[in-house]
Amino acid sequence: KNEVEQSPQNLTAQEGEFITINCSYSVGISALHWLQQHPGGGIVSLFMLSSGKKKHGRLIATINIQEKHSSLHITASHPRDSAVYICAVYSGGGADGLTFGKGTHLIIQP
Amino acid sequence: DTGVSQDPRHKITKRGQNVTFRCDPISEHNRLYWYRQTLGQGPEFLTYFQNEAQLEKSRLLSDRFSAERPKGSFSTLEIQRTEQGDSAMYLCASSLNGPRGQYFGPGTRLTVT
Repeated sequence: KNEVEQSPQNLTAQEGEFITINCSYSVGISALHWLQQHPGGGIVSLFMLSSGKKKHGRLIATINIQEKHSSLHITASHPRDSAVYICAVYSGGGADGLTFGKGTHLIIQP
Repeated sequence: DTGVSQDPRHKITKRGQNVTFRCDPISEHNRLYWYRQTLGQGPEFLTYFQNEAQLEKSRLLSDRFSAERPKGSFSTLEIQRTEQGDSAMYLCASSLNGPRGQYFGPGTRLTVT
């Protein structure tokens, strides 16, 4: 079982809709990343969270450490938001790499 | 461009051949990470370096894989005797002083025929 679960796996929405992508994890973490991956592989870090909420433009990320859950929201979605959104956690200890979810494939239709 | 760069971006090779990929991290970053991503999956951790020292290797990194970071700057990932199952995107990331705040390169897509 993957330690990081994302939902939904695929999401198609109309331009302008409010988008929510969820991430649940099973281990204690010290930080959670939301990443955006464009076709061709390039990954861009959107947010790094350890508590609370962060906002950047139309993107909002929240995390609830007690519930081991994070959400990424996109307001006023646009076709250029179409990408794969990946949740990744850093749990510390001896494992220094990130553990990734499988990603949510988002398509925003005009 | 001062981001993480990887070379080549694409590599097609025949089964059994050796391949080597290069990653150039952000210049002041002392940590460098290698990940592998297969189709439809999230990336998986392979190994990481702090400066020139390789500090951790995943069980995914079989003895056909070797990574180096000889001077604590760029890193190379070599795969010997490639197999079709090695076909994947190989991602490199770098960070300063810890695993948080990793910056990713564009990846090298390997296809083994």
